[in-house]
Amino acid sequence: SQQGEEDPQALSIQEGENATMNCSYKTSINNLQWYRQNSGRGLVHLILIRSNEREKHSGRLRVTLDTSKKSSSLLITASRAADTASYFCATDPNTGTASKLTFGTGTRLQVTL
Amino acid sequence: GAVVSQHPSRVICKSGTSVKIECRSLDFQATTMFWYRQFPKQSLMLMATSNEGSKATYEQGVEKDKFLINHASLTLSTLTVTSAHPEDSSFYICSAPGISGGLSYGYTFGSGTRLTVV
Repeated sequence: SQQGEEDPQALSIQEGENATMNCSYKTSINNLQWYRQNSGRGLVHLILIRSNEREKHSGRLRVTLDTSKKSSSLLITASRAADTASYFCATDPNTGTASKLTFGTGTRLQVTL
Repeated sequence: GAVVSQHPSRVICKSGTSVKIECRSLDFQATTMFWYRQFPKQSLMLMATSNEGSKATYEQGVEKDKFLINHASLTLSTLTVTSAHPEDSSFYICSAPGISGGLSYGYTFGSGTRLTVV
């Protein structure tokens, strides 16, 4: 399977704490994307990092990418109960065209009050 | 931003019947639509890629006669599960790429369809 791996599979933290999720992939990429999925819903695009970028920020989100190790991490700072969801990384192998994403196995994040 | 509207959100059907799932791009033209299947607490598995005006491309192991995909216009792609069986019960999601100036800007997903075959 070409599917990426994410760890941890599940993470439970308290509100205000930081949450870190890791993603490893197998093939070369053009970019890597992170998505959030609330239970029973579609996916929401969070952030995209290109292969020539090492770090990217968006609000409380920080994403890193290490192409030499084929890995990425997503950090959510000062977590809130509303951040409770599943988070998926997805790798995009191609440049510019509509290409197939390969999704990781996902991390289920639970943020408690 | 780009929105993909997916309907129905939930459907229950009897074994042997067919179910059609629609995905519409509301404020952009989706020349390509990806169809995924997701089992509980698992990741998304790509089933097929539909392209406006041409035949869909199916992933290995996906029965094209069972999962009929039509992409007749730039704003509508449909997935029809034919002769549904309980093992087809799953969460189906569509997605369209966001591209501007040749660069990828992430994909827009529909809200998903929970199919239950009884």
